[in-house]
Amino acid sequence: EEQLLESGGGLVQPGGSLRLSCAASTFTFSSYAMSWVRQPPGKGLEWVSGISGGGDGTYYADSVKGRFTISRDNSKNTLYLQMNSLRAEDTAVYYCAKRDRQYWFFDLWGRGTLVTVSS
Amino acid sequence: DIQMTQSPSSLSASVGDRVTITCRASQRISSYLNWYQLKPGKAPKLLIYAASSLQSGVPSRFSGGASGTDFSASGTEFTLTISSLQPEDLATYYCQQSYSTPLTFGGGTRVEIK
Repeated sequence: EEQLLESGGGLVQPGGSLRLSCAASTFTFSSYAMSWVRQPPGKGLEWVSGISGGGDGTYYADSVKGRFTISRDNSKNTLYLQMNSLRAEDTAVYYCAKRDRQYWFFDLWGRGTLVTVSS
Repeated sequence: DIQMTQSPSSLSASVGDRVTITCRASQRISSYLNWYQLKPGKAPKLLIYAASSLQSGVPSRFSGGASGTDFSASGTEFTLTISSLQPEDLATYYCQQSYSTPLTFGGGTRVEIK
């Protein structure tokens, strides 16, 4: 069964950094673009960042551009999100998601990891 | 950015009821519209992609379509219908456009069981 498992969330002070990981299993990881999507408490979903299958193309929401960096290690079937200069408004559950090649929907998601930015 | 507007923001219905959720895009997005189901503590689940295609494994009581028959509304109005609401359908539902980046989601519709 295809699966995504996020880790790395936690409590961090404003201005701090955190790195999220997402381990993929039972699909050809390098063949698919991946994304991070977040959900702040009590709010809706927000696409955060995406990366091509080979890792050569990266994309960011304006709200995180210059602060977050997405990357992947296809040899380890793992997706990453390096988050720097964290703000209170970055508090959210962060999901990794596998993106369909043609229609760009997300057909596989993880359960998410909670990031709390607070002093 | 394309804005996605869902209505209603919440609804309460009885088991067996037909439930319809509407999603409107701020510009035409052809059929690049997808629906997801979110339950607390669980991985989000894709229900419908490309406006009306049922994802494998999703019960057939879920269906997607486009509403609005006049040209001005085509490609901007979409619906998710649950033909016979079941207790396990208690969840929040989101639409998402995949026509252009940034990919954007609607605000969500919380479905409660009476």
